[in-house]
Amino acid sequence: DSGVTQTPKHLITATGQRVTLRCSPRSGDLSVYWYQQSLDQGLQFLIQYYNGEERAKGNILERFSAQQFPDLHSELNLSSLELGDSALYFCASSTWTGNYNEQFFGPGTRLTVL
Amino acid sequence: DAKTTQPNSMESNEEEPVHLPCNHSTISGTDYIHWYRQLPSQGPEYVIHGLTSNVNNRMASLAIAEDRKSSTLILHRATLRDAAVYYCILRDAGNKLVFGAGTILRVKS
Repeated sequence: DSGVTQTPKHLITATGQRVTLRCSPRSGDLSVYWYQQSLDQGLQFLIQYYNGEERAKGNILERFSAQQFPDLHSELNLSSLELGDSALYFCASSTWTGNYNEQFFGPGTRLTVL
Repeated sequence: DAKTTQPNSMESNEEEPVHLPCNHSTISGTDYIHWYRQLPSQGPEYVIHGLTSNVNNRMASLAIAEDRKSSTLILHRATLRDAAVYYCILRDAGNKLVFGAGTILRVKS
């Protein structure tokens, strides 16, 4: 158990809909990262927040947005969903920000868009 | 982001050591070498990381070549629970992890 929690575990929805994925980082971790894992693209970094502020952006679509709240939990919002958005979405957290810190991953949310 | 090259797959016998290689010829002086693994149906899990010197922890050892252009993750005694995809990642000043295809490790009993 990494200490990172993600809800829900599974989500099934229809094209065009909007969903929100939630992540609670490990206690004390200020940095939260979101990753997407699909069969054809592998694991891809989406976005990072550090202590409430956006720190880095990766291959995140404009239809997707995220935020980190004062209690440090984070939400990833996916809108106008398409079939290709079906994937595993992982949240990770780390104590600080920097290239020497390990990231602790949650169990993921499996999103299925029908 | 600097790139790494790993074999697509490797096979090991249970209770034997496993050496997982990684080439990173374009590594820069400030890049850390990180290893993560992903067990079936789970999120990635941190294994080990290093900069220049060899590193040991309870999970594995990391041997880094003197010129830093390659590294080897060593599992001292593979178990069935070590069957996973192992990712070798270079981290620069940025914070994200850039995952490649990794090495699928199969462990035979």
